[in-house]
Amino acid sequence: QVQLVESGGGVVQPGRSLRLSCAASGFTFNTYAMHWVRQAPGKGLEWVAIISYDGRNNYYTDSMKGRFTISRDNSKNTLYLQMNSLRVEDTAIYYCVRDGSGSYGGWLDPWGQGTLVTVSS
Amino acid sequence: EIVLTQSPATLSLSPGEGATLSCRASQSVTSYLAWYQQKPGQAPRLLIYDASNRATGIPARFSGRGSGTDFTLTISSLEPEDFAVYYCQQRSNWPFTFGPGTTVDIK
Repeated sequence: QVQLVESGGGVVQPGRSLRLSCAASGFTFNTYAMHWVRQAPGKGLEWVAIISYDGRNNYYTDSMKGRFTISRDNSKNTLYLQMNSLRVEDTAIYYCVRDGSGSYGGWLDPWGQGTLVTVSS
Repeated sequence: EIVLTQSPATLSLSPGEGATLSCRASQSVTSYLAWYQQKPGQAPRLLIYDASNRATGIPARFSGRGSGTDFTLTISSLEPEDFAVYYCQQRSNWPFTFGPGTTVDIK
């Protein structure tokens, strides 16, 4: 079955960097686009970014453009999110999600369990 | 960006009752709208994609309809496990956006 396991979350000071990873299994990783979605504590969902199956195309929510970088290593079946210049408002659970459509920009399915990032001094 | 509005914010119902949740988009998303269910402490789960298609394994009591700017998610008869938060999400335009959610709680 499809499994997405995020890691790399933790407590970080404002202005610092963090890299999240998502280990994928149970499907042919290099044929699916992938997403990151986040959820601040007690709040709703916010889409972060997408990367195409081959890593050549990506798109970000404006507020994260220039600070966050989505990437992937298809040889390791792993998705990444590099987060720089972190702000208190970036505190959230970060979910790794497969693109359910099999193309670029489909629905979000399935979701990993998430990793919590806390930005605090 | 496309703004999604969900109503009501909270729906208080009893098991066995039907539920109708609404999602309205600030501009047309054609049929590129999905619904997700999230229970406390869990990741969201896809229920409906492209307005009316049930995802794999989703019970038939969940149905979606709509196009353009107005969409509904209907739960025909609430089971105890259906009490949760429901989000709509559009994939018509970048960036993808979510609605604020509707909480379905037990009356």
